[in-house]
Formats: sequence, C-alpha cells, structure tokens
Amino acid sequence: EVQLVESGGGLVKPGGSLRLSCAASGFAFNYFGMNWVRQAPGKGLEWISSVTTRSNYIYYADSVKGRFTISRDDAKKSVDLHMSSLRVEDTATYYCSILNCTGGDCDSFGWFASWGQGTLVTVSS
Amino acid sequence: SNVVTQPPSVSVAPGQTARITCGGNMVAGSRVHWYRQKSGQAPVLVVHDDSDRPSGIPERISGSNSGNTATLTVSGVETGDEADYFCQVWDSSRGPVFGGGTKLTVL
Repeated sequence: EVQLVESGGGLVKPGGSLRLSCAASGFAFNYFGMNWVRQAPGKGLEWISSVTTRSNYIYYADSVKGRFTISRDDAKKSVDLHMSSLRVEDTATYYCSILNCTGGDCDSFGWFASWGQGTLVTVSS
Repeated sequence: SNVVTQPPSVSVAPGQTARITCGGNMVAGSRVHWYRQKSGQAPVLVVHDDSDRPSGIPERISGSNSGNTATLTVSGVETGDEADYFCQVWDSSRGPVFGGGTKLTVL
C-alpha cells in the first residue's frame, strides 16, 4: 500500500523558516517524481514544487521560487521542503504527492497519483 | 489570461447525473486529470488522461475532453459523492495548474 506521511508543520512567524518532510513507503520511490502541493484554508490547490527522479530536474512555482528548496533522498525514501522567508500567505496545508504519467512525459502530462494527509503550516505573528 | 475555469458549485438530487466542467485555453490539447476532495481529507485522483479511471474508482465516474472543455460526469449520484472536485492540466511555463474547484452538493 502506498503511504506518504508528511511532518514538520507548525506555527512560525513571518520571515521565519520551516522544514517539511515526507516519508514514503509501499512503492518504488526512486522511479517517481515527487511534488509538494498546498491548499490555503478554504481555498483551492496550488502546485508549488517538484523534483524528478535522481533529482535531475527541480521546478518551483513563481510564488515560492527563491524561498523554498525541495530535495529528495532515495536511500531514505523521503522528500523535504525547506521553506524560508515565510509569509502570511504561505499559510496552508502542504501535501506531498507522487507524480505519475503515461508514456514517460510526466513533466508535461503527469498527474498526482497519491497524496499524503498533509501538514498544516501557519505563518502568523 | 491562462486560467482553468470550473463552476463554483453543482447540485443534484440522489440518483441523478452531475456534470462538472473544466474550461479554458489551457484545456485545449491538454490531458485533464480530476481529483475529489472530501471535507477534511486529502485529494484523491478519480480520473487521469481525460477519461482513465484508477483502480478502485467506480465506472459511474467518467471523464471526457473536447475542444476547450473537459467534463467529469458522476452518474447515479450518492450522498458519498459530496465533495470538492478539482481539474488539473499542465502549462508549459507554469507547470501543473489546477482549476478553482467545484463543490458538488447532493440535495
């Protein structure tokens, strides 16, 4: 059974930093791109970052570029999101997810196949 | 602007058919994926590549895509289908893009 378990959320002041982690199990982790998607309270879904297999490519949404850093550890089957210079508008539940696709073109047509339960990040003074 | 548009809400009676649309320039020529999110839970993939269902998703949930509009159809709606539904496409410069979501209410 695929499992994704996020951790590291909490309350942080504006300008602060936080590191989220996602522990994966139940699938061949090193064969899949991993992503973070967030959801502000009462709002929709927003993709924020992805890391491909072997960390060959890393992408960020404009809203977090330069402030967030994604990384993966295939030996530990985990993916982290280091968040710095946090803003009030970064308040959201952060989900870890697996990117899957047909035909190998995940970076153009992929879908988020499985999701963790999410971890809440609150940025407030 | 390049946005993915969904109706904010759709309401149907039990047993009826709900159709949720996903439209916009980015939908044309793209593969559309759909997620269901029940209250307080994480999203779950229900359709990928316009019309393919993952294992465990019932046949009464189906998807289609034509022109600028993709449609998620839920036939024989049950109270358990109440949820927010999000479509997702890819933009060549922005990466994955989600629609704003549609709240399905079972009357």
